[in-house]
Amino acid sequence: GQNIDQPTEMTATEGAIVQINCTYQTSGFNGLFWYQQHAGEAPTFLSYNVLDGLEEKGRFSSFLSRSKGYSYLLLKELQMKDSASYLCAVRDRETGANNLFFGTGTRLTVIP
Amino acid sequence: DAGVIQSPRHEVTEMGQEVTLRCKPISGHDYLFWYRQTMMRGLELLIYFNNNVPIDDSGMPEDRFSAKMPNASFSTLKIQPSEPRDSAVYFCASSLGGGYTEAFFGQGTRLTVV
Repeated sequence: GQNIDQPTEMTATEGAIVQINCTYQTSGFNGLFWYQQHAGEAPTFLSYNVLDGLEEKGRFSSFLSRSKGYSYLLLKELQMKDSASYLCAVRDRETGANNLFFGTGTRLTVIP
Repeated sequence: DAGVIQSPRHEVTEMGQEVTLRCKPISGHDYLFWYRQTMMRGLELLIYFNNNVPIDDSGMPEDRFSAKMPNASFSTLKIQPSEPRDSAVYFCASSLGGGYTEAFFGQGTRLTVV
């Protein structure tokens, strides 16, 4: 089975840096995704990691350590529009090649 | 492409009624997923299809739920009879198969069963 854990809520200040952690347990790890979801909207893709290390994409970066079952999403130069839920999801090859299992998400509030 | 299209956006129905949710995936995508999202349980995978064939329906809560994909451009999720605990946002997503594949989500259907 899969077990994905992330903090429920976080608050950070506009212009600052915030790190959202995700730990997972899965029997057949096959990739980790981060999605952003604004209230009342659909999740949208942010990043994908399958190998250890850091993937950088503009203000957002995602890190993966497969041996530790750990990932984080790093958001730099926070903007008010970054207030959203951030969902960590893992793909498990033992349950299917392409289905994603999501954590419950971290609700980030950016304050002025 | 207009992305994944779901209908209706909102549905309010009485307990015991049949509810049908609809989804049009992105053209060319060969995987289609149905998710349910609630505050308590987050996003849960209900069922997914590959090339119109159901691959894993282990997430379907019970026999009241059924899903079909009669062709590559259309899928339905049906709840019969509906119950108040089925109230949630139901998302459809699609992706291309193989290797690195991000899923693209529709805007969801907010279902309220009273």
